[in-house]
Amino acid sequence: GAGVSQSPSNKVTEKGKDVELRCDPISGHTALYWYRQSLGQGLEFLIYFQGNSAPDKSGLPSDRFSAERTGGSVSTLTIQRTQQEDSAVYLCASSSSQGNSPLHFGNGTRLTVT
Amino acid sequence: QQQVKQSPQSLIVQKGGISIINCAYENTAFDYFPWYQQFPGKGPALLIAIRPDVSEKKEGRFTISFNKSAKQFSLHIMDSQPGDSATYFCAATNDYKLSFGAGTTVTVRA
Repeated sequence: GAGVSQSPSNKVTEKGKDVELRCDPISGHTALYWYRQSLGQGLEFLIYFQGNSAPDKSGLPSDRFSAERTGGSVSTLTIQRTQQEDSAVYLCASSSSQGNSPLHFGNGTRLTVT
Repeated sequence: QQQVKQSPQSLIVQKGGISIINCAYENTAFDYFPWYQQFPGKGPALLIAIRPDVSEKKEGRFTISFNKSAKQFSLHIMDSQPGDSATYFCAATNDYKLSFGAGTTVTVRA
């Protein structure tokens, strides 16, 4: 079956440009997460969507980062005016509900800011 | 501030040996402790999980040991195989937001 799909798989951008990262969750999953994975670091929580509830944006590192989820399905993470420290792998995950349902991760988007 | 501390950062084990990864946490409200396995170029995948009402959980060659009083838990990989070579993350939560450890890269030598 189809898993979580992320695009692009790799993105190289120049400092100061805006980027959009896309996530297609597993069909029917109501919860969607974005995490950031930097080299040698764990996974850093960015944002959480659950159904029609207001998203938990508490992990977004600055106001250059934003995310939306349209129609309760596809999500886009936008980084404006990218900086070199934004270089990382951005992982999207979905799960079937709140609580302790397993997170199903996509393969991530590797972002390199030059 | 990392809520879950994981060690070691990396380890090398011979085929057939035991790999042990340790994690410690501070938040006593945490009530769910999963382990995720990640292969290069892939997203993490749930391997095994435990709740604090049990001290041990075993699934095949993978065992979680949990010490609630010490606020520590560990993953043991028995009879390690080259296919187990991956990065392992412990995590903890008491709601929807998982706090992950920094990860342990395990290399199993044939």
